[in-house]
Amino acid sequence: GAVVSQHPSRVICKSGTSVKIECRSLDFQATTMFWYRQFPKQSLMLMATSNEGSKATYEQGVEKDKFLINHASLTLSTLTVTSAHPEDSSFYICSAQTEFYGYTFGSGTRLTVV
Amino acid sequence: GENVEQHPSTLSVQEGDSAVIKCTYSDSASNYFPWYKQELGKGPQLIIDIRSNVGEKKDQRIAVTLNKTAKHFSLHITETQPEDSAVYFCAASFGNEKLTFGTGTRLTIIP
Repeated sequence: GAVVSQHPSRVICKSGTSVKIECRSLDFQATTMFWYRQFPKQSLMLMATSNEGSKATYEQGVEKDKFLINHASLTLSTLTVTSAHPEDSSFYICSAQTEFYGYTFGSGTRLTVV
Repeated sequence: GENVEQHPSTLSVQEGDSAVIKCTYSDSASNYFPWYKQELGKGPQLIIDIRSNVGEKKDQRIAVTLNKTAKHFSLHITETQPEDSAVYFCAASFGNEKLTFGTGTRLTIIP
């Protein structure tokens, strides 16, 4: 089946720094990538939708200048959290969508900002 | 936009018994309804899904039913086992558009 490789699985960064999360689709091309954020004991909340070669579409309330999404190729999408603050600490999950495989989720990244 | 409600938020079931989780959705245009299992610190895993042209789907101990008229869909797990303990999420979407998730159900199987 389809696999989305997400890295890193855990990252700790200092307040004010930036951190990049990568999601790679293995053995398939993902035209659409969804990025979610999940706080403890809560559901997945969609942050943005990205299509290869296009600007990402952000959900209401998500700061596009803070959460930079790049989907430069059909197999790689990245989320960069800029100027991270403790309130950005969360579990970030990507999901690739294709006609054939449907939605395939990455394993998630636990971000802790100290 | 779509809104998905999920109940119960927690569910404890004796091993071997059945578990049922229910979801309702608001957008009648939604036509894809997956169920995900999420273990601590991991991404969601698809366990079963159903499309709006089908009323029921079964895969071994897991089944999903869909009532389009009432905009309800439910997950049924029979002969529960300790490894079924996890958080379960329902979701809904229209076509290949974004998934809207329910609030989750923490299922605990009591040995």
